[in-house]
Amino acid sequence: QQPVQSPQAVILREGEDAVINCSSSKALYSVHWYRQKHGEAPVFLMILLKGGEQKGHDKISASFNEKKQQSSLYLTASQLSYSGTYFCGTRALDGTSYDKVIFGPGTSLSVIP
Amino acid sequence: NAGVTQTPKFQVLKTGQSMTLQCAQDMNHNSMYWYRQDPGMGLRLIYYSASEGTTDKGEVPNGYNVSRLNKREFSLRLESAAPSQTSVYFCASLSSGADRNYEQYFGPGTRLTVT
Repeated sequence: QQPVQSPQAVILREGEDAVINCSSSKALYSVHWYRQKHGEAPVFLMILLKGGEQKGHDKISASFNEKKQQSSLYLTASQLSYSGTYFCGTRALDGTSYDKVIFGPGTSLSVIP
Repeated sequence: NAGVTQTPKFQVLKTGQSMTLQCAQDMNHNSMYWYRQDPGMGLRLIYYSASEGTTDKGEVPNGYNVSRLNKREFSLRLESAAPSQTSVYFCASLSSGADRNYEQYFGPGTRLTVT
């Protein structure tokens, strides 16, 4: 079952912060975050493998609450280059292969000057 | 290192025609995937292969078949194309996780239109 992402879309001014949420109805082994620019392939941002794990990549960080099957992506002091669609991918602890990665519908983020 | 390559980049088919989308990776990854992307629907998993010789259905497998020819190649076949299969198709491979990375690498995509 596809994870749920919120919000669907967000518009920011340069320098503002944003949070993108991802939740699943299934217990999760890992959460993956990707960014896709228009007309391009998704690009890996980070992976979170265990509960409470937080990762950072420049001014983009993420957390994973495995008890709630939720992950959040934090973008601070946004830059124009952050614009794109953000996807979370999940691997579930439901007896299927750990290699099965299912993606959410995406969150469109636009950063304006 | 070419990463993940896909052919063709663009294709137009008539309803009922068949075709095979090719994908290859040169990173020695075990797992490979086929996704389709439609506006507002995100990336939906069609089929995946956890290792050479194995394939499993994803979320939307109907109308497709796959073949894991060897460790490098994973092809997707549309036996009788339908307009509902108009989409962008992405192939991906997953790093092994020896360094706890588990990053998926995506190919550039194939834009398929079925008329």
